[in-house]
Amino acid sequence: AQSVSQHNHHVILSEAASLELGCNYSYGGTVNLFWYVQYPGQHLQLLLKYFSGDPLVKGIKGFEAEFIKSKFSFNLRKPSVQWSDTAEYFCAVNPNNAGNMLTFGGGTRLMVKP
Amino acid sequence: ETGVTQTPRHLVMGMTNKKSLKCEQHLGHNAMYWYKQSAKKPLELMFVYNFKEQTENNSVPSRFSPECPNSSHLFLHLHTLQPEDSALYLCASSQDPSVTDTQYFGPGTRLTVL
Repeated sequence: AQSVSQHNHHVILSEAASLELGCNYSYGGTVNLFWYVQYPGQHLQLLLKYFSGDPLVKGIKGFEAEFIKSKFSFNLRKPSVQWSDTAEYFCAVNPNNAGNMLTFGGGTRLMVKP
Repeated sequence: ETGVTQTPRHLVMGMTNKKSLKCEQHLGHNAMYWYKQSAKKPLELMFVYNFKEQTENNSVPSRFSPECPNSSHLFLHLHTLQPEDSALYLCASSQDPSVTDTQYFGPGTRLTVL
């Protein structure tokens, strides 16, 4: 069975710092990749997704992620974080032959200090 | 935002109680999902429904009994739960479970089993 690893469980940054959250998955076939975000007190919502094409994907609120197939990675980045980016971030993987079944990583809790 | 709603938001129950969680989606989707989010564990898929038919049961114990009377409503009936079942239960929906697509999540029900 596939698994998803998010190595950073907690990240604390100051405003304007750059962000990179790691996501690695274990699955040898073609995958679809997602980042979801959960802001305090809000629903889990989609940040960005990759299905095919350009491996650099841009999402909402200035976030982007890069799919590196050879490294089985889909890291999330933002050049300059804001206090409002404080949230928990989840990476999820969907094998191409598994319908819409998602396997989630354990999440990374980001705190941005003003 | 009223896309996916869940009630109750919080539930405390004893091990001998019977209770139900309710989920309703207002997005016209055909697929609905139950997830379990336990402390320090990744989000785990429990059940998938497509047009009211259960298409996935991720080895969930029988003390959890899902019901999907129509494509807009999903229930999770609970009986004789254990303290380790305490978790956040999330409902999600998507257009079609056989196609990779964004899942829209509800706010969750925080369940505590005493």
